[in-house]
Amino acid sequence: GEEVAQTPKHLVRGEGQKAKLYCAPIKGHSYVFWYQQVLKNEFKFLISFQNENVFDETGMPKERFSAKCLPNSPCSLEIQATKLEDSAVYFCASSPAGSTDTQYFGPGTRLTVL
Amino acid sequence: LAKTTQPISMDSYEGQEVNITCSHNNIATNDYITWYQQFPSQGPRFIIQGYKTKVTNEVASLFIPADRKSSTLSLPRVSLSDTAVYYCLVGLGAGSYQLTFGKGTKLSVIP
Repeated sequence: GEEVAQTPKHLVRGEGQKAKLYCAPIKGHSYVFWYQQVLKNEFKFLISFQNENVFDETGMPKERFSAKCLPNSPCSLEIQATKLEDSAVYFCASSPAGSTDTQYFGPGTRLTVL
Repeated sequence: LAKTTQPISMDSYEGQEVNITCSHNNIATNDYITWYQQFPSQGPRFIIQGYKTKVTNEVASLFIPADRKSSTLSLPRVSLSDTAVYYCLVGLGAGSYQLTFGKGTKLSVIP
């Protein structure tokens, strides 16, 4: 597709429950990025993929967060045992290739942990 | 990564030109300057990118002085639909593999 698609739009989980978010990058884009936006403007980089390979996972809280990008499937970000502080909007972005390419963002998934 | 500083908020009347300045004193030689726009409940959207001097596209202009320690995003004749948060980013190109967003500038356009 021509836009990055993210599902679901909203997700509500009780503390300790699992949350799984999905992202379909723009067709032909090799890179996928996940960001977390907390408190309105504060963005945090989580992880990036080059095709199905993890490219940079320096931002991932590895104990509870995991992510995959498998061929012919949407990418996913999974949070095991959610905590209150995981409440945020999670954005996925994709770019064609390389560091000089624009990143195209999806509409985000708002996760609320109660 | 170079740290950026921008005003937290700005107000402007419709039809005016708006200039948002970003400071990036420790910009590296290879760094590009990129601006993104974010509307409420949407993901950020690329506006413009530059390395030095002036860049113009159909949406905005970007002015970068010779020392590259600051840059100014110029939005000509803003409308209500330009109300958004504008982020200045500094790094190796628009992608930079990972983007480092600052707090951004919330622009409010008033009728």
